[in-house]
Amino acid sequence: EPEVTQTPSHQVTQMGQEVILRCVPISNHLYFYWYRQILGQKVEFLVSFYNNEISEKSEIFDDQFSVERPDGSNFTLKIRSTKLEDSAMYFCASSLGPNSPLHFGNGTRLTVT
Amino acid sequence: AQTVTQSQPEMSVQEAETVTLSCTYDTSENNYYLFWYKQPPSRQMILVIRQEAYKQQNATENRFSVNFQKAAKSFSLKISDSQLGDTAMYFCAFMSPRGGFGNEKLTFGTGTRLTIIP
Repeated sequence: EPEVTQTPSHQVTQMGQEVILRCVPISNHLYFYWYRQILGQKVEFLVSFYNNEISEKSEIFDDQFSVERPDGSNFTLKIRSTKLEDSAMYFCASSLGPNSPLHFGNGTRLTVT
Repeated sequence: AQTVTQSQPEMSVQEAETVTLSCTYDTSENNYYLFWYKQPPSRQMILVIRQEAYKQQNATENRFSVNFQKAAKSFSLKISDSQLGDTAMYFCAFMSPRGGFGNEKLTFGTGTRLTIIP
């Protein structure tokens, strides 16, 4: 069964550094998402992306965050200047179409020191 | 805004027994989708089951079934013949259809940590 793939599985960075989290969604999916889960808390929506543009973003997704689909397969989340509170598990997800279930990747654990 | 509430932070049950996880939600919409996701210790988010609000019949997937009570805004998950591999965090989630513009985001509950005891 096709999967959403995320790399790296764990990233450690220093406060103030830029990080790029990478995702390869399922190939025929059209809708792409980033969610995050701070340790011990619930999963929170960050951003959705469709037709090469952001369709919705949460209040968490401020100017420090950006997303990009640079080619036909990758979907990236960039955090420009990381803060300690950005430490979390970041999940990429994709779906086939409207109202279809989201398929999640295994997540990238980001640790900001 | 929609909210999803899971009132049981932790549950445990003996292997082979049946367990029910509760979930309630709040929405003013009539058409929506509900999901249960499982997050084992590996932290992957795995779709367990899905329910469309316009369907009266409760969804089932092998040992997993739901009790969807639309009027009560309740969506519980029943796991029958529980197995050690069912040990995980279980999240209830709500999705409101948005007409296909790519922003059908999920709103998650806080989760229930389920432990299956050998």
